[in-house]
Amino acid sequence: QVQLVESGGGVVQPGKSLRLSCAASGFTFSTYGMHWVRQAPGKGLEWVAVIWYDGSSEYYADSVKGRFTISRDNSKNTLYLQMNSLRAEDTAFYYCARSRTDIVATAPGYWGQGTLVTVSS
Amino acid sequence: QSILTQPPSVSGTPGQWVTISCSGSSSNIGINSVTWYLQLPGAAPKLLIYNNSERPSGVPGRFSGSKSDTSASLAISGLQSADEAYYYCAAWDDSLIGVVFGGGTKVTVL
Repeated sequence: QVQLVESGGGVVQPGKSLRLSCAASGFTFSTYGMHWVRQAPGKGLEWVAVIWYDGSSEYYADSVKGRFTISRDNSKNTLYLQMNSLRAEDTAFYYCARSRTDIVATAPGYWGQGTLVTVSS
Repeated sequence: QSILTQPPSVSGTPGQWVTISCSGSSSNIGINSVTWYLQLPGAAPKLLIYNNSERPSGVPGRFSGSKSDTSASLAISGLQSADEAYYYCAAWDDSLIGVVFGGGTKVTVL
């Protein structure tokens, strides 16, 4: 079955960087588009970024464009989110999610359990 | 402010039928399929409906989805206490080139 396990969250000071990882298993990772979605405590879901199955394309929410970078290593079945210049408003649970089918331009179908990022001095 | 608009809350008594609306635009719901998620407190979102009206295996038939033009709806029939949760709609947006979510609807069973 599809498994997505995020790691790398923690407490970080404003302006610093953090890299999240998502280990995928139970499916052919290189076949599917992957997303990062975040949720501030007590708030709704906010899409962050998507990367195509082969890494050929990536798109971002305006709120993180220029600061965050999504990437993947298909040889390691791992998705990444490099977060730079972190702000207090980036505090959230970050979920790794997989496209439901091999069509990337759709809402995710499978989700990890999330990792909490807290930006605070 | 979410791109897709949902009511903040909906309530009903056990056994009742409730609906949650999701309003979008021509660049998202108007041309792409709608997905619905259920989120219990402290848990990750779970896929409830995809392709506007299809249910993944394991999702009870009490949950149904529909779409018309730039709006969608999730219906829950035979409301149960276990249905108390947050429900989110989502769709791909061709203009923003990304996924847009509704703000979420809290379903309360009275």
